[in-house]
Amino acid sequence: DAGITQSPRYKITETGRQVTLMCHQTWSHSYMFWYRQDLGHGLRLIYYSAAADITDKGEVPDGYVVSRSKTENFPLTLESATRSQTSVYFCASSEGTIYEQYFGPGTRLTVT
Amino acid sequence: GENVEQHPSTLSVQEGDSAVIKCTYSDSASNYFPWYKQELGKRPQLIIDIRSNVGEKKDQRIAVTLNKTAKHFSLHITETQPEDSAVYFCAAANTGFQKLVFGTGTRLLVSP
Repeated sequence: DAGITQSPRYKITETGRQVTLMCHQTWSHSYMFWYRQDLGHGLRLIYYSAAADITDKGEVPDGYVVSRSKTENFPLTLESATRSQTSVYFCASSEGTIYEQYFGPGTRLTVT
Repeated sequence: GENVEQHPSTLSVQEGDSAVIKCTYSDSASNYFPWYKQELGKRPQLIIDIRSNVGEKKDQRIAVTLNKTAKHFSLHITETQPEDSAVYFCAAANTGFQKLVFGTGTRLLVSP
């Protein structure tokens, strides 16, 4: 579990601000994922990456931007935060699609 | 794309009883079916998974069964304990799809 970290763990921001959530893994896993978790919706995939410089949209990508210049990092940016983006965000990594995903500790984001 | 439905959304049992959570999936190409447990305030963690070449897999008090013809799989927990109380997520994936699709989760409450 210590191999995947997220920062910050808690964040309060105002509507319209840009926010970046960081994710770092030490396993050199190829795949990385960003999920948001809201009551009643389970885990919804925002973006994922199969390798450095390769990213793709998930189920709910609108309002988010990702990049992956290095294998170990996968930052998620909210370009102009909205109240509907208040959520818990989990980053995850795995060796491949059909292998265990290891989740980070999560970031609780509140947009006021 | 893949769609995973999970039932029930909540499940209350007495300590020592068995608990069963069921999931159905839509894509017949899916070949990997993990189950994640998420305790309150914690990250999801893999508890057991099954691949499509196997019909059943057991790990102590936990078992998963897969029916490929009917496209459903189930989590069975025997001799439940209070520490089994958590939210359980099923998921499905296939190599070509490059991502896990999660069910909406089942909140299991085990009462002493």
